[in-house]
Amino acid sequence: AQTVTQSQPEMSVQEAETVTLSCTYDTSESDYYLFWYKQPPSRQMILVIRQEAYKQQNATENRFSVNFQKAAKSFSLKISDSQLGDAAMYFCAYRTDYGGATNKLIFGTGTLLAVQP
Amino acid sequence: GAVVSQHPSWVICKSGTSVKIECRSLDFQATTMFWYRQFPKQSLMLMATSNEGSKATYEQGVEKDKFLINHASLTLSTLTVTSAHPEDSSFYICSSGDPNTGELFFGEGSRLTVL
Repeated sequence: AQTVTQSQPEMSVQEAETVTLSCTYDTSESDYYLFWYKQPPSRQMILVIRQEAYKQQNATENRFSVNFQKAAKSFSLKISDSQLGDAAMYFCAYRTDYGGATNKLIFGTGTLLAVQP
Repeated sequence: GAVVSQHPSWVICKSGTSVKIECRSLDFQATTMFWYRQFPKQSLMLMATSNEGSKATYEQGVEKDKFLINHASLTLSTLTVTSAHPEDSSFYICSSGDPNTGELFFGEGSRLTVL
């Protein structure tokens, strides 16, 4: 069975600085998707970034980028120029590629990010 | 606007009563929907996978007789918490994937408080 591990329960960053959130996973599959979701106090889940395992290039979305190390099964999220609105719980998630959107997400335990002004 | 809509966003009920939560896909036909439960400051725990026209698939440890799931149409799945007790108080979230794009969407969540 696949597992997702986030070893940092809480992180803090100064506004405008850069922070990296860690995520490791375990799987025997070769094709899969990895995600980072943000959950602000409103509790609405917001997709931050997505990475397809078959792509070697790291995904980027504006200030958000990932460091995807497939062999090491590592998928870290880097937030550059941190803003107060980035404060939230961040979840790393795994989804098998087979079956597409009908497959469930497996979530990590989450990292609570605080942004200091 | 929301692609997956959940209702109600919050509900308070008395112990022993049943509560129904609805999850609707607004822009696509959802053959599969997922129901998660989240305790404060914890992760989302998958409860069950709702399949249109067939029985839901429950995760290990989830009481299927307590958490009834119905997926009678391609746009609606319901979760009914039967004979609710205070320990059922939690945040329940549904999600569904657009089969055309593979993108997954989450509902706004429903906060259940059982007195």
